[in-house]
Amino acid sequence: RKEVEQDPGPFNVPEGATVAFNCTYSNSASQSFFWYRQDCRKEPKLLMSVYSSGNEDGRFTAQLNRASQYISLLIRDSKLSDSATYLCVVNGRDDKIIFGKGTRLHILP
Amino acid sequence: GAGVSQSPRYKVAKRGQDVALRCDPISGHVSLFWYQQALGQGPEFLTYFQNEAQLDKSGLPSDRFFAERPEGSVSTLKIQRTQQEDSAVYLCASSLALGDQPQHFGDGTRLSIL
Repeated sequence: RKEVEQDPGPFNVPEGATVAFNCTYSNSASQSFFWYRQDCRKEPKLLMSVYSSGNEDGRFTAQLNRASQYISLLIRDSKLSDSATYLCVVNGRDDKIIFGKGTRLHILP
Repeated sequence: GAGVSQSPRYKVAKRGQDVALRCDPISGHVSLFWYQQALGQGPEFLTYFQNEAQLDKSGLPSDRFFAERPEGSVSTLKIQRTQQEDSAVYLCASSLALGDQPQHFGDGTRLSIL
């Protein structure tokens, strides 16, 4: 099993809709979880950290489920500018930061 | 500049040539990471440094890959006898300390091996 797994998508979602995607991780000892966003031909940028109690930043909500070893990202009222690849990031074995392969999201006008 | 700077932005080399990629991290950032990102994939960890010490190089795909950070600031990733499968974007990131987020990424070097 890969250390961090994501559905590659693409998710094609109409503007204004709500979309959610998950990321599973294999290392039960992982302590740090993040969502990064990467636009085409650009570098990854931190979108938000994921806290045990779940956290919200505007239209974005991140949640952690330790029992099932997954994190989720929910985007409400999606905008065209949300189109990007969303990378799940987890600290793996030996505290190494592991990136998922990313989930591609296309917001349709 | 205030961000992570990588050079060159683009590098084309013939198979078998050696290449050197440079990363200039944010001033004061202790941790420096190198990633390899193939088309359509997420960044794959290559190696990281804490100051000048290379603490983990387990992600380097072969002994043709070598990284250094001799003075704890600028880092160089060297690839010897390049192969076509080395074609990728090489991303450098730095952070204040290990485990700190965000990791600040440079724009990357897009390497194409012909």
